[in-house]
Amino acid sequence: AQTVTQSQPEMSVQEAETVTLSCTYDTSESDYYLFWYKQPPSRQMILVIRQEAYKQQNATENRFSVNFQKAAKSFSLKISDSQLGDAAMYFCAYRSYNTDKLIFGTGTRLQVFP
Amino acid sequence: GAVVSQHPSWVICKSGTSVKIECRSLDFQATTMFWYRQFPKQSLMLMATSNEGSKATYEQGVEKDKFLINHASLTLSTLTVTSAHPEDSSFYICSARFPSGLYEQYFGPGTRLTVT
Repeated sequence: AQTVTQSQPEMSVQEAETVTLSCTYDTSESDYYLFWYKQPPSRQMILVIRQEAYKQQNATENRFSVNFQKAAKSFSLKISDSQLGDAAMYFCAYRSYNTDKLIFGTGTRLQVFP
Repeated sequence: GAVVSQHPSWVICKSGTSVKIECRSLDFQATTMFWYRQFPKQSLMLMATSNEGSKATYEQGVEKDKFLINHASLTLSTLTVTSAHPEDSSFYICSARFPSGLYEQYFGPGTRLTVT
């Protein structure tokens, strides 16, 4: 069975600085998807960024980018130029290629200080 | 685009009563929707997968007779918590699978259920 591990329960960063959130996963599959979701205090889950495992190029969405290391089964999220609105819980998630089921990590709470 | 709504956002009910939560995909059709439960400061736990026109698939350990799921149309799935007890108090989140591309899940804003 696949598992997703987020080893950082909490992280903090100062506004305008860069922070990296860690995520590792375990799978025997070769085709899959990885996601980072943001859950602000409103509890609305928002998709931040996605990565298809067959793509070697790291995904980027504006200030958000990932470092996808397939061999190491690592999928970290880098937030550049952090903003106060980035403060939230961040969940890493795994999805097999041929299923819909998302497997979530335990989350990392990110605090952003002015 | 890809908006999912939930109603109500917060509900309080008495122990022993039933409560229904609605999940709607507002601007796309979703043959598949998902229901999650989230305890305070914890991750999302998938309860069941709801398929339009067929029976829901429940995850191991989830009581199907307690958590009734109906996916009657391509834009609406409902979760009914029957004979609610205080331990059913939680945050319930639905998501809908987008019908193309990577078939990503888009989440509703969640429903807070408090059973007194």
